[in-house]
Amino acid sequence: KAGVTQTPRYLIKTRGQQVTLSCSPISGHRSVSWYQQTPGQGLQFLFEYFSETQRNKGNFPGRFSGRQFSNSRSEMNVSTLELGDSALYLCASSLHRGIETQYFGPGTRLLVL
Amino acid sequence: QQQVKQSPQSLIVQKGGISIINCAYENTAFDYFPWYQQFPGKGPALLIAIRPDVSEKKEGRFTISFNKSAKQFSLHIMDSQPGDSATYFCAARGGRETSGSRLTFGEGTQLTVNP
Repeated sequence: KAGVTQTPRYLIKTRGQQVTLSCSPISGHRSVSWYQQTPGQGLQFLFEYFSETQRNKGNFPGRFSGRQFSNSRSEMNVSTLELGDSALYLCASSLHRGIETQYFGPGTRLLVL
Repeated sequence: QQQVKQSPQSLIVQKGGISIINCAYENTAFDYFPWYQQFPGKGPALLIAIRPDVSEKKEGRFTISFNKSAKQFSLHIMDSQPGDSATYFCAARGGRETSGSRLTFGEGTQLTVNP
């Protein structure tokens, strides 16, 4: 089985722009979670999607949003980018919501200039 | 609000030695405690995990020790190898019904195993 895939792998944007990141979970996995990883804050939970519905949300401003499609693929969007949004954005999938074993993708490295 | 504290921040061990990484938590609702290993340029990979009703779990060279009363858990890597050099994260989940798949991570430990 192919692992979790994330596109693009690298992205450079300027302040004020918006960005959309994509995540394809492992085939058959229906739960997708997103995390932000930075040297200063570590790994922080953004949100979780299951059955096309956001089930859980971390402590991030409303500029961060996401969605999940019927095929379980997920996208996250960050509007009005700030310098502090530069980070590695990781997507993780699991078979079902609450199933402990989560598989992470390689991440999308976002640099905001 | 940091709910899982991890130490040390960095660790250097000789090949064949034992690496020990510690984590402490406050939230007694946490019901699942995984450890993840991350290599540069890669996403975290699940290494081993434990539930609070078990005091120890061993998988190969990796062992989790769990102390529920002290709200602490640790990862022991026996016979550490240079290939184990990576960043290790402890994590915790706050109950399946309330947290779903949401994990709270520790700050990470950069492990270097010298040959």
